[in-house]
Amino acid sequence: ESVLTQSPGTLSLSPGERATLSCRASHSVRSTYLAWYQQRPGQAPRLLIYGASTRATGIPDRFTGSGSGTDFTLTISRLEPEDFAVYYCQMYGSSPPVTFGGGTKVEIK
Amino acid sequence: QVQLHESGPGVVKPSETLSLTCSVSGDSTDSGFYWGWIRQPPGKGLEWIGDIYHSGSTNYNPSLRSRITISIDTSKNQFSLKLSSVTAADTAVYYCAKVVPSAKYFQYWGQGTLVTVSS
Repeated sequence: ESVLTQSPGTLSLSPGERATLSCRASHSVRSTYLAWYQQRPGQAPRLLIYGASTRATGIPDRFTGSGSGTDFTLTISRLEPEDFAVYYCQMYGSSPPVTFGGGTKVEIK
Repeated sequence: QVQLHESGPGVVKPSETLSLTCSVSGDSTDSGFYWGWIRQPPGKGLEWIGDIYHSGSTNYNPSLRSRITISIDTSKNQFSLKLSSVTAADTAVYYCAKVVPSAKYFQYWGQGTLVTVSS
Protein backbone atom coordinates (compact mmCIF):
# COMPACT_ATOMS: atom_id res chain seq x y z
CA GLU A 1 0.00 0.00 0.00
CA SER A 2 1.22 3.48 -0.96
CA VAL A 3 1.64 5.92 1.92
CA LEU A 4 2.54 9.62 1.83
CA THR A 5 3.95 11.14 5.03
CA GLN A 6 3.96 14.91 5.34
CA SER A 7 6.09 16.83 7.80
CA PRO A 8 5.95 18.80 9.88
CA GLY A 9 2.33 18.50 10.95
CA THR A 10 2.24 22.19 11.76
CA LEU A 11 4.58 24.99 10.71
CA SER A 12 4.43 28.25 12.67
CA LEU A 13 5.89 31.13 10.70
CA SER A 14 5.52 34.88 10.22
CA PRO A 15 4.46 36.66 7.03
CA GLY A 16 7.47 37.18 4.79
CA GLU A 17 9.26 34.06 6.02
CA ARG A 18 10.11 31.02 3.92
CA ALA A 19 8.14 27.79 4.36
CA THR A 20 9.50 24.36 3.51
CA LEU A 21 7.05 21.45 3.50
CA SER A 22 8.07 17.82 3.08
CA CYS A 23 6.24 14.88 1.52
CA ARG A 24 7.82 11.43 1.73
CA ALA A 25 6.48 8.41 -0.16
CA SER A 26 6.67 4.79 1.00
CA HIS A 27 7.70 3.74 -2.51
CA SER A 28 9.44 5.60 -5.33
CA VAL A 29 7.03 7.85 -7.25
CA ARG A 30 7.37 9.09 -10.80
CA SER A 31 7.60 12.87 -10.57
CA THR A 32 4.78 13.10 -13.11
CA TYR A 33 2.48 11.58 -10.50
CA LEU A 34 3.04 13.98 -7.57
CA ALA A 35 0.79 16.98 -6.90
CA TRP A 36 0.31 19.59 -4.15
CA TYR A 37 -2.91 21.32 -3.03
CA GLN A 38 -3.72 24.26 -0.78
CA GLN A 39 -6.83 24.27 1.39
CA ARG A 40 -7.87 27.47 3.10
CA PRO A 41 -10.36 27.27 5.99
CA GLY A 42 -13.88 26.53 4.80
CA GLN A 43 -12.80 26.13 1.19
CA ALA A 44 -12.21 23.28 -1.21
CA PRO A 45 -8.63 22.28 -1.97
CA ARG A 46 -6.96 24.08 -4.86
CA LEU A 47 -4.36 22.58 -7.17
CA LEU A 48 -0.99 24.30 -6.73
CA ILE A 49 1.61 22.04 -8.31
CA TYR A 50 1.46 18.99 -10.58
CA GLY A 51 4.22 16.85 -12.03
CA ALA A 52 6.14 17.61 -8.81
CA SER A 53 7.26 21.03 -10.07
CA THR A 54 4.80 22.58 -12.54
CA ARG A 55 2.67 25.39 -11.17
CA ALA A 56 -1.02 25.22 -11.99
CA THR A 57 -2.70 28.09 -13.82
CA GLY A 58 -2.71 31.30 -11.79
CA ILE A 59 -0.41 30.07 -9.02
CA PRO A 60 2.16 32.70 -7.98
CA ASP A 61 5.82 31.96 -8.51
CA ARG A 62 6.55 32.12 -4.79
CA PHE A 63 5.30 28.50 -4.76
CA THR A 64 7.93 26.00 -5.91
CA GLY A 65 7.71 22.22 -6.03
CA SER A 66 10.77 19.99 -6.18
CA GLY A 67 12.00 16.49 -5.49
CA SER A 68 12.09 13.01 -6.94
CA GLY A 69 11.91 9.37 -5.96
CA THR A 70 10.50 9.26 -2.45
CA ASP A 71 11.21 12.82 -1.27
CA PHE A 72 9.31 15.87 -2.45
CA THR A 73 9.22 19.46 -1.19
CA LEU A 74 6.90 22.42 -1.49
CA THR A 75 8.59 25.76 -0.82
CA ILE A 76 6.82 29.07 -0.32
CA SER A 77 9.50 31.70 -0.69
CA ARG A 78 7.85 34.55 1.19
CA LEU A 79 4.61 33.90 3.03
CA GLU A 80 1.70 36.16 2.23
CA PRO A 81 -1.30 36.40 4.61
CA GLU A 82 -3.42 34.29 2.23
CA ASP A 83 -0.85 31.46 2.27
CA PHE A 84 -1.67 30.42 5.83
CA ALA A 85 -3.58 27.23 5.11
CA VAL A 86 -3.27 23.45 5.03
CA TYR A 87 -1.20 21.86 2.26
CA TYR A 88 -1.62 18.31 0.96
CA CYS A 89 0.54 16.24 -1.33
CA GLN A 90 -1.06 13.55 -3.50
CA MET A 91 0.27 10.73 -5.62
CA TYR A 92 -0.96 8.46 -8.36
CA GLY A 93 0.17 4.94 -7.63
CA SER A 94 -1.00 1.35 -7.76
CA SER A 95 -2.77 0.45 -4.56
CA PRO A 96 -4.72 2.48 -3.96
CA PRO A 97 -4.49 4.42 -7.24
CA VAL A 98 -4.76 7.78 -5.48
CA THR A 99 -3.25 8.64 -2.08
CA PHE A 100 -3.17 11.91 -0.13
CA GLY A 101 -0.70 12.84 2.55
CA GLY A 102 -1.99 13.80 5.98
CA GLY A 103 -1.39 17.51 5.43
CA THR A 104 0.80 20.28 6.83
CA LYS A 105 -0.84 23.28 8.46
CA VAL A 106 1.02 26.55 7.96
CA GLU A 107 -0.09 28.87 10.76
CA ILE A 108 0.76 32.40 11.75
CA LYS A 109 3.37 32.57 14.48
CA GLN B 1 -14.35 28.35 -16.71
CA VAL B 2 -14.95 24.86 -15.36
CA GLN B 3 -17.34 24.67 -12.42
CA LEU B 4 -18.52 21.67 -10.46
CA HIS B 5 -21.41 21.62 -8.01
CA GLU B 6 -22.34 18.83 -5.61
CA SER B 7 -25.95 18.26 -4.61
CA GLY B 8 -27.79 15.79 -2.41
CA PRO B 9 -29.22 15.25 1.05
CA GLY B 10 -27.31 16.78 3.94
CA VAL B 11 -28.42 14.06 6.37
CA VAL B 12 -28.56 10.30 5.81
CA LYS B 13 -29.71 7.69 8.30
CA PRO B 14 -27.33 4.91 9.40
CA SER B 15 -27.47 1.79 7.18
CA GLU B 16 -29.03 3.76 4.33
CA THR B 17 -27.47 4.83 1.03
CA LEU B 18 -25.80 8.19 0.51
CA SER B 19 -26.48 9.63 -2.96
CA LEU B 20 -24.79 12.69 -4.42
CA THR B 21 -24.72 14.25 -7.87
CA CYS B 22 -22.06 16.50 -9.37
CA SER B 23 -23.16 18.92 -12.09
CA VAL B 24 -20.46 20.16 -14.44
CA SER B 25 -20.49 23.44 -16.34
CA GLY B 26 -17.89 25.00 -18.61
CA ASP B 27 -16.69 21.56 -19.72
CA SER B 28 -18.09 18.29 -20.99
CA THR B 29 -18.11 15.03 -19.07
CA ASP B 30 -17.68 13.50 -22.51
CA SER B 31 -14.18 14.96 -22.82
CA GLY B 32 -10.99 12.98 -22.23
CA PHE B 33 -10.91 13.41 -18.47
CA TYR B 34 -11.92 11.40 -15.46
CA TRP B 35 -14.43 12.71 -12.93
CA GLY B 36 -13.87 11.89 -9.30
CA TRP B 37 -15.06 12.00 -5.71
CA ILE B 38 -13.02 12.85 -2.61
CA ARG B 39 -14.21 13.19 0.98
CA GLN B 40 -12.95 14.90 4.13
CA PRO B 41 -14.26 14.02 7.61
CA PRO B 42 -14.62 17.08 9.86
CA GLY B 43 -11.19 18.27 11.00
CA LYS B 44 -9.36 15.52 9.11
CA GLY B 45 -7.53 14.96 5.85
CA LEU B 46 -8.60 14.05 2.33
CA GLU B 47 -9.65 10.55 1.25
CA TRP B 48 -10.01 9.52 -2.38
CA ILE B 49 -13.26 7.67 -3.07
CA GLY B 50 -13.08 6.88 -6.77
CA ASP B 51 -13.49 8.17 -10.31
CA ILE B 52 -15.18 7.48 -13.65
CA TYR B 53 -14.41 8.01 -17.34
CA HIS B 54 -17.05 9.05 -19.89
CA SER B 55 -17.09 5.45 -21.14
CA GLY B 56 -18.27 4.34 -17.71
CA SER B 57 -14.95 2.80 -16.70
CA THR B 58 -14.45 3.23 -12.95
CA ASN B 59 -11.71 3.12 -10.34
CA TYR B 60 -12.58 2.73 -6.67
CA ASN B 61 -10.71 3.01 -3.37
CA PRO B 62 -10.21 -0.61 -2.26
CA SER B 63 -11.24 0.29 1.29
CA LEU B 64 -14.68 1.45 0.06
CA ARG B 65 -15.12 -0.67 -3.08
CA SER B 66 -17.79 -2.97 -1.70
CA ARG B 67 -20.07 -0.02 -0.90
CA ILE B 68 -19.45 2.41 -3.79
CA THR B 69 -21.10 2.96 -7.13
CA ILE B 70 -20.05 5.86 -9.35
CA SER B 71 -22.02 6.51 -12.53
CA ILE B 72 -22.06 9.14 -15.27
CA ASP B 73 -24.79 10.72 -17.42
CA THR B 74 -23.05 12.58 -20.21
CA SER B 75 -26.39 13.76 -21.63
CA LYS B 76 -26.96 15.74 -18.42
CA ASN B 77 -23.25 16.55 -17.92
CA GLN B 78 -23.43 14.98 -14.48
CA PHE B 79 -21.87 12.16 -12.54
CA SER B 80 -23.02 10.57 -9.31
CA LEU B 81 -21.88 8.75 -6.18
CA LYS B 82 -23.77 6.15 -4.19
CA LEU B 83 -22.34 4.87 -0.90
CA SER B 84 -24.33 2.13 0.76
CA SER B 85 -24.67 0.98 4.37
CA VAL B 86 -23.42 4.26 5.80
CA THR B 87 -22.28 4.74 9.38
CA ALA B 88 -21.20 7.76 11.41
CA ALA B 89 -17.69 7.24 10.00
CA ASP B 90 -19.00 8.30 6.60
CA THR B 91 -19.87 11.78 7.88
CA ALA B 92 -17.75 14.12 5.79
CA VAL B 93 -17.59 16.92 3.28
CA TYR B 94 -17.84 15.27 -0.13
CA TYR B 95 -16.10 16.92 -3.06
CA CYS B 96 -16.37 16.20 -6.76
CA ALA B 97 -13.49 17.04 -9.05
CA LYS B 98 -12.18 16.97 -12.62
CA VAL B 99 -9.29 14.51 -12.86
CA VAL B 100 -6.41 14.70 -15.31
CA PRO B 101 -6.14 11.12 -16.60
CA SER B 102 -2.41 10.88 -17.29
CA ALA B 103 -1.41 11.63 -13.71
CA LYS B 104 -4.67 11.47 -11.75
CA TYR B 105 -4.41 14.90 -10.16
CA PHE B 106 -7.50 16.98 -9.40
CA GLN B 107 -7.55 20.04 -11.61
CA TYR B 108 -10.86 21.58 -10.55
CA TRP B 109 -12.97 21.00 -7.43
CA GLY B 110 -16.54 21.62 -6.40
CA GLN B 111 -17.14 23.62 -3.23
CA GLY B 112 -18.08 20.47 -1.34
CA THR B 113 -21.19 19.35 0.47
CA LEU B 114 -21.41 18.18 4.08
CA VAL B 115 -23.20 14.88 4.57
CA THR B 116 -23.99 13.88 8.14
CA VAL B 117 -24.95 10.33 9.01
CA SER B 118 -27.41 10.51 11.86
CA SER B 119 -30.71 9.01 12.90
